[in-house]
Amino acid sequence: QQQVKQSPQSLIVQKGGISIINCAYENTAFDYFPWYQQFPGKGPALLIAIRPDVSEKKEGRFTISFNKSAKQFSLHIMDSQPGDSATYFCAASSSPGTASKLTFGTGTRLQVTL
Amino acid sequence: DSGVTQTPKHLITATGQRVTLRCSPRSGDLSVYWYQQSLDQGLQFLIQYYNGEERAKGNILERFSAQQFPDLHSELNLSSLELGDSALYFCASAGPGRSGANVLTFGAGSRLTVL
Repeated sequence: QQQVKQSPQSLIVQKGGISIINCAYENTAFDYFPWYQQFPGKGPALLIAIRPDVSEKKEGRFTISFNKSAKQFSLHIMDSQPGDSATYFCAASSSPGTASKLTFGTGTRLQVTL
Repeated sequence: DSGVTQTPKHLITATGQRVTLRCSPRSGDLSVYWYQQSLDQGLQFLIQYYNGEERAKGNILERFSAQQFPDLHSELNLSSLELGDSALYFCASAGPGRSGANVLTFGAGSRLTVL
């Protein structure tokens, strides 16, 4: 079964700190790894994504680190802000083109305190 | 507003009943996905349609069915409802992204409560 394991389930970080969420996958055919951010009452929204041909991708305060040999990838949120408080989902897919079914992790509820 | 419209936002019904959830994809997107999100659970993939045809099936119960119409809107039908079907049901549509892979854009979800 295609699975994506995500940890921790919840995370509390002080304002200005670094939030780190980890994911591991089993299916070596996965070739697209996005992170989604979900605020209460809203649908998930794409935050940042990476392909396995690079080991790191950075967009503003958000960075994905990717370790292909370990089949792991992580999201780092630098200088975490209260507005970052949300649930974060990692995901993976293996189908190119029009059939990119995403397999999601179970989510991490992040709370950034003042 | 993501551009993906889901109705109704909230729905309360009784066990044994049947409901229909509706989704209008983002303009230009041909793919529609349905996901179920239960309390403290991740997003479980149910089914995908592309331009009216079923493309992939996930953990969708036999009591559930879906279709995508010629105007590309989609409906998810849930029948013989059980308490455990209470969940958030998300629709997402997909179009090409910068990475070359399809980017899923989610609607705000339909919250179903079965009493």
